[in-house]
Amino acid sequence: QQQVKQSPQSLIVQKGGIPIINCAYENTAFDYFPWYQQFPGKGPALLIAIRPDVSEKKEGRFTISFNKSAKQFSLHIMDSQPGDSATYFCAASFGGSRLTFGEGTQLTVNP
Amino acid sequence: SAVISQKPSRDICQRGTSLTIQCQVDSQVTMMFWYRQQPGQSLTLIATANQGSEATYESGFVIDKFPISRPNLTFSTLTVSNMSPEDSSIYLCSGGTSLGGEQYFGPGTRLTVT
Repeated sequence: QQQVKQSPQSLIVQKGGIPIINCAYENTAFDYFPWYQQFPGKGPALLIAIRPDVSEKKEGRFTISFNKSAKQFSLHIMDSQPGDSATYFCAASFGGSRLTFGEGTQLTVNP
Repeated sequence: SAVISQKPSRDICQRGTSLTIQCQVDSQVTMMFWYRQQPGQSLTLIATANQGSEATYESGFVIDKFPISRPNLTFSTLTVSNMSPEDSSIYLCSGGTSLGGEQYFGPGTRLTVT
């Protein structure tokens, strides 16, 4: 059973644009929501994460927005650059245990 | 954060043989996991590697096919046994602490079975 749904599957933006990737979860026990960035041939790299007691978290150009009542969270990339072109995965876990991943979003930032 | 290394980075194996993948973490972690990722797809958890005891396997994965060891807090191995072409995939190790929830991934092992 897929517990984390991610959209869109792919996304193309121009340099400087603000791509937004959305995720929805079902299990209300989840208490940790990370985003991973993966380049071809590499392992996923932890980008930013949030816990349900806050509604927004910013780290550099990356922002997570979290809506606990809607069971949704999203990643915004400000002033996107071609180097941000990668696959992004949202995930969720509870109690520091296994991660449940979304399907992934392939982002392309055109120059 | 934790730095995770895997060996080998890639291998091409013949059907019916076995391959053992090693995962080393540069610091003690509470949790270690093994994932499989088909090209262009998401990550699927194979099992949780438990120190000094049998791994906990997810539905669809069995110990006879994917035996896992974790002799200490920083090292684990995954063996892919009696391989078939369907086992061709990227195998990823991750480690983290149960306290914070953060998990860090190794670079992956790209396995091709011919």
